[in-house]
Amino acid sequence: AQRVTQPEKLLSVFKGAPVELKCNYSYSGSPELFWYVQYSRQRLQLLLRHISRESIKGFTADLNKGETSFHLKKPFAQEEDSAMYYCALLSYNTDKLIFGTGTRLQVFP
Amino acid sequence: EAQVTQNPRYLITVTGKKLTVTCSQNMNHEYMSWYRQDPGLGLRQIYYSMNVEVTDKGDVPEGYKVSRKEKRNFPLILESPSPNQTSLYFCASSYLTGDNEQFFGPGTRLTVL
Repeated sequence: AQRVTQPEKLLSVFKGAPVELKCNYSYSGSPELFWYVQYSRQRLQLLLRHISRESIKGFTADLNKGETSFHLKKPFAQEEDSAMYYCALLSYNTDKLIFGTGTRLQVFP
Repeated sequence: EAQVTQNPRYLITVTGKKLTVTCSQNMNHEYMSWYRQDPGLGLRQIYYSMNVEVTDKGDVPEGYKVSRKEKRNFPLILESPSPNQTSLYFCASSYLTGDNEQFFGPGTRLTVL
């Protein structure tokens, strides 16, 4: 079954600390993976996707096929990073987008 | 301004009273979809549409209907709402297919009493 797992509901860190939001997936085939973010009172928006290999707002995510993971990382968290983060997987054969349950990141000053 | 709009933003209704939540996008996107967001369950896809007159079930389609008569509009219909459909609903659209960036609407908070 195709599934996205985000094991942490809440992650709290202090400003300047490293951040890693975990995402594991279950998918037979080559996955297409994304991270979406929802800041307070804003719409859900794309943060990054693995095929673009970009660093957005200091965040990076590397696809590890061996561990079936796509963890989101940032070396130094900022208060403005506080938001809800969703990992998502595209099922190519159905074109359905499957989201994880989300992780709320709180960055304290 | 390129955007996805949803109406209404908030709705309180009673069990069994048919309702429609509208979704419209002005970006000429082919792909549109509906999600519901529930605590602890994240976002779950209800229905999606890859183009006009083409719709498919997502993961939780029971109790919902959709139509795609025009490219820009993708209304979500609850023929007989029940309390378990109380949720936050998001419409999204993207160019061509689901692997392109999804643009989300502001959300509709629905309460079914």
